[in-house]
Amino acid sequence: DQQVKQNSPSLSVQEGRISILNCDYTNSMFDYFLWYKKYPAEGPTFLISISSIKDKNEDGRFTVFLNKSAKHLSLHIVPSQPGDSAVYFCAALARGGGSNYKLTFGKGTLLTVNP
Amino acid sequence: SAVISQKPSRDICQRGTSLTIQCQVDSQVTMMFWYRQQPGQSLTLIATANQGSEATYESGFVIDKFPISRPNLTFSTLTVSNMSPEDSSIYLCSVEDPGLAGGTDTQYFGPGTRLTVL
Repeated sequence: DQQVKQNSPSLSVQEGRISILNCDYTNSMFDYFLWYKKYPAEGPTFLISISSIKDKNEDGRFTVFLNKSAKHLSLHIVPSQPGDSAVYFCAALARGGGSNYKLTFGKGTLLTVNP
Repeated sequence: SAVISQKPSRDICQRGTSLTIQCQVDSQVTMMFWYRQQPGQSLTLIATANQGSEATYESGFVIDKFPISRPNLTFSTLTVSNMSPEDSSIYLCSVEDPGLAGGTDTQYFGPGTRLTVL
């Protein structure tokens, strides 16, 4: 049973436009969420995170929104650039749980930004 | 963030053999972890590598199959034992430390080791 779901395997956007990547979770114990970007043949690179006490966190072109009632978060990239083309993973952490270091990942969304 | 390296970057192995993967960090870190990403799947935590004591394994992973060492705060190894084709995956180490940019709860990943078992 997938506790973190990224329902869109892929997304294609034009350079300069907004990219919106979505993530849903089922475990209400999750209280910390992270987004990672992964290029081929490289490990995941940390992008941005958000605690469950917030509903928005912004870092440059990247903004993460959290809707706890809907158990949904999204990553917005504005403006999108061709170098943003990569697989984006959503991950969640239950800091108060017994396995409180265990990141639970979604399957990822392949973002392609077209010039 | 920490600079994390893994060796080897990739390998092709015969079934029944074992492979040891090394993870080296350029600074001392509190926590080190090992993950697996099977083809088409998400990353799954194998175990937490504890310095000076036995690793803590997640459900579905056992020490006999994935022995782990962590002799100090900058180095860990993961061995994939008695390999079968089902072990073909990318194996990644990650680290977490309050002194890193993301602080507590943010893990940073190595480049991964791509393992193919024939």
